[in-house]
Amino acid sequence: NAGVTQTPKFRILKIGQSMTLQCTQDMNHNYMYWYRQDPGMGLKLIYYSVGAGITDKGEVPNGYNVSRSTTEDFPLRLELAAPSQTSVYFCASTQLGGQETQYFGPGTRLLVL
Amino acid sequence: RKEVEQDPGPFNVPEGATVAFNCTYSNSASQSFFWYRQDCRKEPKLLMSVYSSGNEDGRFTAQLNRASQYISLLIRDSKLSDSATYLCVVRSGGSYIPTFGRGTSLIVHP
Repeated sequence: NAGVTQTPKFRILKIGQSMTLQCTQDMNHNYMYWYRQDPGMGLKLIYYSVGAGITDKGEVPNGYNVSRSTTEDFPLRLELAAPSQTSVYFCASTQLGGQETQYFGPGTRLLVL
Repeated sequence: RKEVEQDPGPFNVPEGATVAFNCTYSNSASQSFFWYRQDCRKEPKLLMSVYSSGNEDGRFTAQLNRASQYISLLIRDSKLSDSATYLCVVRSGGSYIPTFGRGTSLIVHP
């Protein structure tokens, strides 16, 4: 199993540009999450999904959108990038009810200039 | 009061030392507890789950105190490789969303 994969690893955006951060998991997990982590800070939840076709906002959803058309994929869309969105973005998945381990992708480092 | 609170540290200890971290949580309905480890510029990874009876994995021991609403992590015989940030994670019953603490930084020096 590849686990959770994220692309790209690193990206520089200009203010106002848009991009999609890709996240795929091959563990058949129902639950998927997007977090951002600013330097020296904890993880903040952006959006989460409890299954294909179901998404909901987390703590900091403004400026982002998500979709979940399949169990495996959970892309995060940034529209009109702003410097405040400079961060490291982690995607994670889990299956509640069992061990509940959250598996994280390696992260996408985004710099908005 | 934050849902999950941790002392950010850093805890600076020599090799071989024993070090302990605590994490307090505010929601008494919390039912799942974990410690994650995050290395610099890497993703968090599960270190261990925390069970009501406590659990041990080699040099690491985790305890849960429901009455006082905290969990703890004890690391014995610290190694240089233990240097990382340790994240406390709590999930409430009926919630899909684990809550992460900000993390406690541990630096083990020679």
